[in-house]
Amino acid sequence: AQSVTQPDIHITVSEGASLELRCNYSYGATPYLFWYVQSPGQGLQLLLKYFSGDTLVQGIKGFEAEFKRSQSSFNLRKPSVHWSDAAEYFCALNYGQNFVFGPGTRLSVLP
Amino acid sequence: EPEVTQTPSHQVTQMGQEVILRCVPISNHLYFYWYRQILGQKVEFLVSFYNNEISEKSEIFDDQFSVERPDGSNFTLKIRSTKLEDSAMYFCASRTPDTYYEQYFGPGTRLTVT
Repeated sequence: AQSVTQPDIHITVSEGASLELRCNYSYGATPYLFWYVQSPGQGLQLLLKYFSGDTLVQGIKGFEAEFKRSQSSFNLRKPSVHWSDAAEYFCALNYGQNFVFGPGTRLSVLP
Repeated sequence: EPEVTQTPSHQVTQMGQEVILRCVPISNHLYFYWYRQILGQKVEFLVSFYNNEISEKSEIFDDQFSVERPDGSNFTLKIRSTKLEDSAMYFCASRTPDTYYEQYFGPGTRLTVT
């Protein structure tokens, strides 16, 4: 069955520090993977997506993610975190008409 | 930039009452979706809708739920007899035929059942 896991429930980093949020998936075919961000009281905003081709994808707000088939992972990275990046981050996998979301990682940013 | 809108932003209802959550998808989008997020939990797929019929639905989408596109702009989710466990944030999403995998999400409606 399709599933997405995000091992870290909550991560705290200092402003300016680098960030990596982990995502692992389970899917029998080529996955279509996404990262969404949800600020408090807001909807889901697409950060980036992977369909095929280059395994390193660039997104908005300076985020990037790397698809590693051998590790079934799609980790999100940012070299220097800003206070405004504090939010909930969801990794998601698309199959057919559906999205399967991971449980989310809450990011806190220290000044 | 066009966006998906949802009304109301917060709905409070009593157990057993019917509620209708409204969504206005992006105007040239043809595929529509509802998702649910119980507080502190992950986002869960409820239903997809295309060409005036349900394409796919999850186990959560039981007989108390229904969806409708009553006119050319609105997409609604009806819960016939709400239960306490229906309290959640409900997100609408839409996409064009071209962006098969990229869904655009609305800001959500927070439903509180008392």
